[in-house]
Amino acid sequence: ETGVTQTPRHLVMGMTNKKSLKCEQHLGHNAMYWYKQSAKKPLELMFVYNFKEQTENNSVPSRFSPECPNSSHLFLHLHTLQPEDSALYLCASSQGGYPGEQYFGPGTRLTVT
Amino acid sequence: GENVEQHPSTLSVQEGDSAVIKCTYSDSASNYFPWYKQELGKRPQLIIDIRSNVGEKKDQRIAVTLNKTAKHFSLHITETQPEDSAVYFCAALKDPGGGADGLTFGKGTHLIIQP
Repeated sequence: ETGVTQTPRHLVMGMTNKKSLKCEQHLGHNAMYWYKQSAKKPLELMFVYNFKEQTENNSVPSRFSPECPNSSHLFLHLHTLQPEDSALYLCASSQGGYPGEQYFGPGTRLTVT
Repeated sequence: GENVEQHPSTLSVQEGDSAVIKCTYSDSASNYFPWYKQELGKRPQLIIDIRSNVGEKKDQRIAVTLNKTAKHFSLHITETQPEDSAVYFCAALKDPGGGADGLTFGKGTHLIIQP
């Protein structure tokens, strides 16, 4: 698959589990993002990485921990989540340096039990 | 920080009619305004965007207008078709000036095209 891929597509985890979401972009972009999409709120920005450096943390609880080993890969490490963290987690990438299209992945549907 | 308000939350129009979705933003420094379409179960996809140095942009049946003084921008879809049914999100972004910045989204408009 080309563009932006995310794995897994669906994840069910208990509140005491630790899991990780993975995002990979095949577009040669240098900026990557994590967004949260839940039923009752708009798409919410979580983290921004530009050239592997975190440039924005939108007041996200520490139970969400991002990692960006290179410009093509982005992870979101999850631990001790709450049921209200159940949502669709979307990864996106863009060229950076000039406002332009952010390309979204298909998302990971997370359910916390 | 930026705050984006979007109206209406649901819009139902007859096939062939026009649809208009409106958004306002709070940060006068924002200068990039994209619109995304999200079909059920799919990822958001960019349909049109506008930068602060222009007032209007068209792409076939879709147009976006921007009023920087009033800090609002609108999406116009003419001759609506069944495949236009989806959730539409407006967003705003401040030019990172060489870096990258995340988008602030509106809450979305569920557009329903009635046959």
